[in-house]
Amino acid sequence: DAKTTQPPSMDCAEGRAANLPCNHSTISGNEYVYWYRQIHSQGPQYIIHGLKNNETNEMASLIITEDRKSSTLILPHATLRDTAVYYCIVRVAHGSSNTGKLIFGQGTTLQVKP
Amino acid sequence: ETGVTQSPTHLIKTRGQQVTLRCSSQSGHNTVSWYQQALGQGPQFIFQYYREEENGRGNFPPRFSGLQFPNYSSELNVNALELDDSALYLCASSLDPAGSYNEQFFGPGTRLTVL
Repeated sequence: DAKTTQPPSMDCAEGRAANLPCNHSTISGNEYVYWYRQIHSQGPQYIIHGLKNNETNEMASLIITEDRKSSTLILPHATLRDTAVYYCIVRVAHGSSNTGKLIFGQGTTLQVKP
Repeated sequence: ETGVTQSPTHLIKTRGQQVTLRCSSQSGHNTVSWYQQALGQGPQFIFQYYREEENGRGNFPPRFSGLQFPNYSSELNVNALELDDSALYLCASSLDPAGSYNEQFFGPGTRLTVL
């Protein structure tokens, strides 16, 4: 079972920031928070990941609370092309027997509107 | 640098038949993971191959099997197809199975329909 909880859907106006929340209250100390998105009929696309510090890349920012029980993915200026299902995943990143498999939940369907 | 490719794009089979799906990993990647995505659901992990050996398996029956070749490309084989096997099958490649920077890169998927 997925170890994260996300709202099923969200809307965002084009050009505004999209803030997607994720709850991962049972996260372990060695688990990272990953975000992927899946645009209709395509394979999932990696966005960003982090352990406990906030992270930023060319696509998005990831804000992780100090207790690591929740996080927020921020798309600073959403465009119509950002309409997709966004998945928040916790994943163990180290270990000799670890497959690093991704356990997907239902994700959040983000609809960016003109 | 080429991305992950999968073939075929679409496939229609009948119940009881066998199917083989193919995946070419991203250049330099030695690990391939396969996922099944039913309509309206998130992808589910089937299994992973690392350097030609199975390196972990999800909750799928033995009729789901795979191979990885010396060039790290991979096949997913499904025997005795059932209607519930209708799904999008995704492969993802990565550099080694785990590690904080070993994100998985997904292919576009193969849409399998079982009639």
